[in-house]
Amino acid sequence: KQEVTQIPAALSVPEGENLVLNCSFTDSAIYNLQWFRQDPGKGLTSLLLIQSSQREQTSGRLNASLDKSSGRSTLYIAASQPGDSATYLCAVRGPTGANSKLTFGKGITLSVRP
Amino acid sequence: GAGVSQTPSNKVTEKGKYVELRCDPISGHTALYWYRQSLGQGPEFLIYFQGTGAADDSGLPNDRFFAVRPEGSVSTLKIQRTERGDSAVYLCATSSGGNEQFFGPGTRLTVL
Repeated sequence: KQEVTQIPAALSVPEGENLVLNCSFTDSAIYNLQWFRQDPGKGLTSLLLIQSSQREQTSGRLNASLDKSSGRSTLYIAASQPGDSATYLCAVRGPTGANSKLTFGKGITLSVRP
Repeated sequence: GAGVSQTPSNKVTEKGKYVELRCDPISGHTALYWYRQSLGQGPEFLIYFQGTGAADDSGLPNDRFFAVRPEGSVSTLKIQRTERGDSAVYLCATSSGGNEQFFGPGTRLTVL
């Protein structure tokens, strides 16, 4: 059974700091990995999707990497801003194919202090 | 067009009652998923539809939970004889061709 772990559960950093959020998964046979952002009381917003054949994806100040063989992904946030404060969730899809379910971690709650 | 929508946004019910939660997918998305998120946890998979049929219902916790998607578009999650432990946010997501899953805002269910 796939398990996804995100440690620590919470993180507080000063504005402007570069930071890395970690995600690990137990079964490396994944189809893809997706990073989401969730604001309090809201749904999930997709940030980045990395296919199993890819090593990284970038969008603006965000960069996500994937090391499938070691079961790890990182989300790098450059020059953090107070507006980045939210919970960040990592989820893996597969291995049973393109439309299989997502398995989520519990998320990391990020607070960026002005 | 519009994103995934879910109604109602909030539902308060009494223990033992029946509830229905609705999901309207992004137009053209054939895959539809239901997840449940408890406080402080990540979403947990309930059921997945490909078109009208349930392709994977392995996440449904028991036979009080049932979902339908009769025309391959709108889906309804049905919960019979609700229990306090059913209180959570129920999320719907849709995707096309194995790409990103797009989530709706969720329905917050509270069972008193």
